[in-house]
Amino acid sequence: QQQVKQSPQSLIVQKGGISIINCAYENTAFDYFPWYQQFPGKGPALLIAIRPDVSEKKEGRFTISFNKSAKQFSLHIMDSQPGDSATYFCAASSGGGADGLTFGKGTHLIIQP
Amino acid sequence: ETGVTQSPTHLIKTRGQQVTLRCSSQSGHNTVSWYQQALGQGPQFIFQYYREEENGRGNFPPRFSGLQFPNYSSELNVNALELDDSALYLCASSPRFSGTDTQYFGPGTRLTVL
Repeated sequence: QQQVKQSPQSLIVQKGGISIINCAYENTAFDYFPWYQQFPGKGPALLIAIRPDVSEKKEGRFTISFNKSAKQFSLHIMDSQPGDSATYFCAASSGGGADGLTFGKGTHLIIQP
Repeated sequence: ETGVTQSPTHLIKTRGQQVTLRCSSQSGHNTVSWYQQALGQGPQFIFQYYREEENGRGNFPPRFSGLQFPNYSSELNVNALELDDSALYLCASSPRFSGTDTQYFGPGTRLTVL
């Protein structure tokens, strides 16, 4: 049972454009939603995270939008740059996280110059 | 501040063998979690350690076991290796009790089982 569904699987965006990646979750106990960026051969790096008490969080060019009623959250990358080309994972956890993070399957993002 | 480090970087084993992977947590972090990432997939939670005890476990068989040491470093042991165990094994540390909330990952160990 996949508890976090991520889309699209791959995405091509022109330099300067907005990249949007979506995730949907099933477990209503989830209360922490991070996004990770992973380059080939590297471990995932935490980008930004949100909790359900806010609907949006912005850090630099990265914004998370959160819709609790729809059980959906998304990552927006503004002014996308070639250096943003990587695989992005959404994740979720609950209750302080002793059950670990549940990850989506990832989105391979390519920013074309 | 030193980040999460893992060793070795790469490892090749044959089916049926045993393997030990090592992780040093980020300075000040007392909780360590291990994940398995198959090629083209998201990481899957194996287990978490806090105060040298297993604090939570994912859907992995008992042949996956671990240890945490007083300095918060950790080991992942896998017995009776199977071909499907070939993956990137990631260690992540967290800065507080049950602090899986904010996890910082190491670079991983690439395990190949032949």
